[in-house]
Amino acid sequence: KQEVTQIPAALSVPEGENLVLNCSFTDSAIYNLQWFRQDPGKGLTSLLLIQSSQREQTSGRLNASLDKSSGRSTLYIAASQPGDSATYLCAVVPSNFGNEKLTFGTGTRLTIIP
Amino acid sequence: GAVVSQHPSRVICKSGTSVKIECRSLDFQATTMFWYRQFPKQSLMLMATSNEGSKATYEQGVEKDKFLINHASLTLSTLTVTSAHPEDSSFYICSARVRVYHTEAFFGQGTRLTVV
Repeated sequence: KQEVTQIPAALSVPEGENLVLNCSFTDSAIYNLQWFRQDPGKGLTSLLLIQSSQREQTSGRLNASLDKSSGRSTLYIAASQPGDSATYLCAVVPSNFGNEKLTFGTGTRLTIIP
Repeated sequence: GAVVSQHPSRVICKSGTSVKIECRSLDFQATTMFWYRQFPKQSLMLMATSNEGSKATYEQGVEKDKFLINHASLTLSTLTVTSAHPEDSSFYICSARVRVYHTEAFFGQGTRLTVV
């Protein structure tokens, strides 16, 4: 059974700093990995999607990497801003065709201190 | 990205009544939609997978007679919480994929259900 873990559970950093969020998964047979952010009381906003054949994806100040063999992904946020404060979730999709289920990580609650 | 609209965003109902939550894909066709439940400060728990034109597939431990799911078209899925009880109070979120396997998942804004 796939298990996805995110460490740390909570992180506070001063504004302007670069930071890294971690995501680990136990089964490397994944099709893709997706990073989301969730603001309090809101749904999920998709940030980046990495296919299993890719090693990284970039969008603005965000960069996500994937090392499938070691079961790890990182989300790098450059020049953090207070608006980046949210809970960040990673999720993986298994590689077996027809199984669409996302397995979510436990989330990292990020606070950017002005 | 694609837009998934969920309605209502908040609902309060009395115990014993039923509540319907709608999930629409606004600018794409979604053959598969997913319904999640989220407890405070916890991650998302998949309740069921909804395929257009067929019965939903429920996760273990989810009562299909209590959480009725209908996916009548490629752009609309509904979740009806029947005979609601206070323990059904939670945050419910839907998700949809475009009409290709293993593509990016997009989520609705969520519905906060409070049963009094």
